[in-house]
Amino acid sequence: AQSVTQPDIHITVSEGASLELRCNYSYGATPYLFWYVQSPGQGLQLLLKYFSGDTLVQGIKGFEAEFKRSQSSFNLRKPSVHWSDAAEYFCAVGARRDDKIIFGKGTRLHILP
Amino acid sequence: GAVVSQHPSWVICKSGTSVKIECRSLDFQATTMFWYRQFPKQSLMLMATSNEGSKATYEQGVEKDKFLINHASLTLSTLTVTSAHPEDSSFYICSASRWTEAFFGQGTRLTVV
Repeated sequence: AQSVTQPDIHITVSEGASLELRCNYSYGATPYLFWYVQSPGQGLQLLLKYFSGDTLVQGIKGFEAEFKRSQSSFNLRKPSVHWSDAAEYFCAVGARRDDKIIFGKGTRLHILP
Repeated sequence: GAVVSQHPSWVICKSGTSVKIECRSLDFQATTMFWYRQFPKQSLMLMATSNEGSKATYEQGVEKDKFLINHASLTLSTLTVTSAHPEDSSFYICSASRWTEAFFGQGTRLTVV
């Protein structure tokens, strides 16, 4: 079965600074990988996804993520964060055989003015 | 993108009563839907896989008799929380997959008093 680890529970960065959120996955084959964002009391919004092909994936709101098979990682990056980026970020891994998606525990992003 | 609609968005019920939550795929057919539960400030935990025309598959530790899932058509899955108790209060989210991409409902906040 697949699993996801997000080692950072909280991350605080200053507005305008760069951001990297870590994600490691465990899966026996090439997985589907996702990053979602959730604002308080809201549903999930898909930021980006990796299925195959180019390992550097561009998403919405200026986010990108890089799939590194050798490290089993799919870290999320943004060159310059905005105060509106403050939210909870979830990395998720999907299994190709049954579409089941498993979420990491999430990383809460705080933005300093 | 595809739309998954969840109803109701929020519900308050008395302890001991049952509550039904609906999940509809509005513009595509979904043979498989998923139900998640999210406690405050925690991640989404997969509860069960809802399969159209057959029994749901529950994750380990999820009470089948407590959380009844019915997937009677290709566009509708329902989750019924039976004999609800305050500890069942949570945020419930459904998802449906199309072409390996998951689309999430907006979630249902259940409060049991």
